Parts: sequence; C-alpha cells; structure tokens
Amino acid sequence: EVQLVESGGGLVQPGRSLRLSCAASGFTFDDYAMHWVRQAPGKGLEWVSGISWNSGSIGYADSVKGRFTISRDNAKNSLYLHMNSLRAEDTAFYYCAKGSGQWLNHAFDIWGQGTMVTVSS
Amino acid sequence: QSVLTQPPSASGTPGQRVTISCSGSSSNIGSNTVNWYQQLPGTAPKLLIYSNNQRPSGVPDRFSGSKSGTSASLAISGLQSEDEADYYCAAWDDSLKGVVFGGGTKLTVL
Repeated sequence: EVQLVESGGGLVQPGRSLRLSCAASGFTFDDYAMHWVRQAPGKGLEWVSGISWNSGSIGYADSVKGRFTISRDNAKNSLYLHMNSLRAEDTAFYYCAKGSGQWLNHAFDIWGQGTMVTVSS
Repeated sequence: QSVLTQPPSASGTPGQRVTISCSGSSSNIGSNTVNWYQQLPGTAPKLLIYSNNQRPSGVPDRFSGSKSGTSASLAISGLQSEDEADYYCAAWDDSLKGVVFGGGTKLTVL
C-alpha cells in the first residue's frame, strides 16, 4: 500500500526551529518528486516546497524562502522540512505529498495525513 | 490572496450538474496543465483530476475537467451528498517557479 506518514509537528515558540519528516512506503521513492503543502486552520492549501527525484531541482514559496529547507534521503525513503525562524503565520497542518513525476511540475497523487505545527509563545 | 481565483462557494441539489471555475494567467494555467483536488471534511486532500481532464483510477466519471486559455473548470454531474467537500485547482507557475493553488471552493449539496 502506498503510504506517506508525517511526523515532527508540535508546539514551538516564535523564532525557534522544527524539523518535519515524511516516511514513504509502497512505491519507488527515488523515482518521484516530493512536496510539502500546508493548510492554516480554516484556510486553503498553500504549496510550501518541492524537491525533484534526485534533489537537483528545489523550489520554495516566497513566504518560506530563506527560512525553510527541504531535503530527502532516498536510501531511507524519507523527506524532510527544516523550518527555522518560525512565525505565528507558519501555524498550519503540514502535508507531505508525492509528485506524479520526477520533476516539480506534476500533480500530487498521494498525500499523507498531515502533522500540525503550532507557533506560539 | 491566491494566485488562482475560484468562487468561494457553490451548491446544487442531488442529481444536478455543477461547475467550479478556476482563473489564472499566462504564467500558470495559460502554459501548464491544471490539477484538481478534493478535500472531504476533516481529511487530507485527494487528487481528483490531473493534466486538465484526466481522472486517476477510482475517481468516478461524474467528475470531469477542462481548460481553455487561462481558465479551467471542474464539472460534477449527478451530484451526490458525498460530493460535499472543498475543491482546489492548482498549476505550476513559470514566473514564481512553484505550484500555485486556488483559494478553494466549498461545495454544498442542498
């Protein structure tokens, strides 16, 4: 069964850091791009970042550029999001999503259940 | 403010046909394919339509997508109560070099 399981969310103070992880199973992880998409409480979806199959192409939303870093470990079938200088507006459910191709411009065909990040003092 | 524009709400009665629009620009919808996602209450989003008009396996043919110029639309025919959900359009944006979403449309089945 194709599955994505996020972890690492929680309550963090403004200005602090947090690392999210996404464990993938049921498909050949290193054949596909991977993404993080977030959803603030009661709001819509926002693409956060994406990474191509070989980490050769990486993209970020302007709202997180310079603060967040996406990475992947194909040997461990895992995706990561390192979040620094967190702000209250980063509070959201963070979803890991599988791209349907190798590069960033394909649809997200599998989604995890998400992990909640709350930034508050 | 979302890069892609969707109506915030739509509604219909069981059996009816409803459409949801998605408006963009030349850097996103105008030059890339459109994908649609369905998010049922309290659940993760799910891919509904990809590459403008393709359905993943398991998605009923009541759902269809189309694109013309810098706009796209999702049509749902034979509306059912279980279709009540939020629907999002998305596309790659060549200028932003990232994926952009619409603000979402909340579909209510009356």
